[in-house]
Amino acid sequence: ETGVTQSPTHLIKTRGQQVTLRCSSQSGHNTVSWYQQALGQGPQFIFQYYREEENGRGNFPPRFSGLQFPNYSSELNVNALELDDSALYLCASSPDRVSSYEQYFGPGTRLTVT
Amino acid sequence: GQNIDQPTEMTATEGAIVQINCTYQTSGFNGLFWYQQHAGEAPTFLSYNVLDGLEEKGRFSSFLSRSKGYSYLLLKELQMKDSASYLCAVRAWQAGTALIFGKGTTLSVSS
Repeated sequence: ETGVTQSPTHLIKTRGQQVTLRCSSQSGHNTVSWYQQALGQGPQFIFQYYREEENGRGNFPPRFSGLQFPNYSSELNVNALELDDSALYLCASSPDRVSSYEQYFGPGTRLTVT
Repeated sequence: GQNIDQPTEMTATEGAIVQINCTYQTSGFNGLFWYQQHAGEAPTFLSYNVLDGLEEKGRFSSFLSRSKGYSYLLLKELQMKDSASYLCAVRAWQAGTALIFGKGTTLSVSS
């Protein structure tokens, strides 16, 4: 069983640029959530996708957007990057939107905005 | 809204027992989770409580009191490898399987 994978591992961008982060969910999982984890903080929920539809969103501005594909992989897009967007971005998948109680996290993408 | 509080840092020695507390306020409570996160790595699942009481899994136990909005994670027979951040997270019905995390407790285990 393949776990959750994310790419790239590290990324450096300049303020104002746009970035796309990718996540492949664990086999059989149809729900993907994205989290932002700043240094020394807990992960903050960005949004969740279930069967290609956004299924919940945290307190993040619209420049954070996402997609989920038919194979349940997902992308996180961030426009107009700001210095405070520097963080570890974690993707987590689960077998179902409601019935499953565990999320499986990927290794994350470390984004640095200069 | 939702709010989760846990101590920022704790220290303990090898072989000891440590209890990490977590208090929360949330509407539509649908479960409390504990995750372990080593520096630079992804969080890994430790435990899940949705009913009041104690859940035991090896050296780790987790307790929940829904009426008090309180949980703790108990780690026994501490080992150096237990040095990590411990994250308390709650799930709410309206958020599906999304988790709301606390800021985490950094545990340092010394010999």
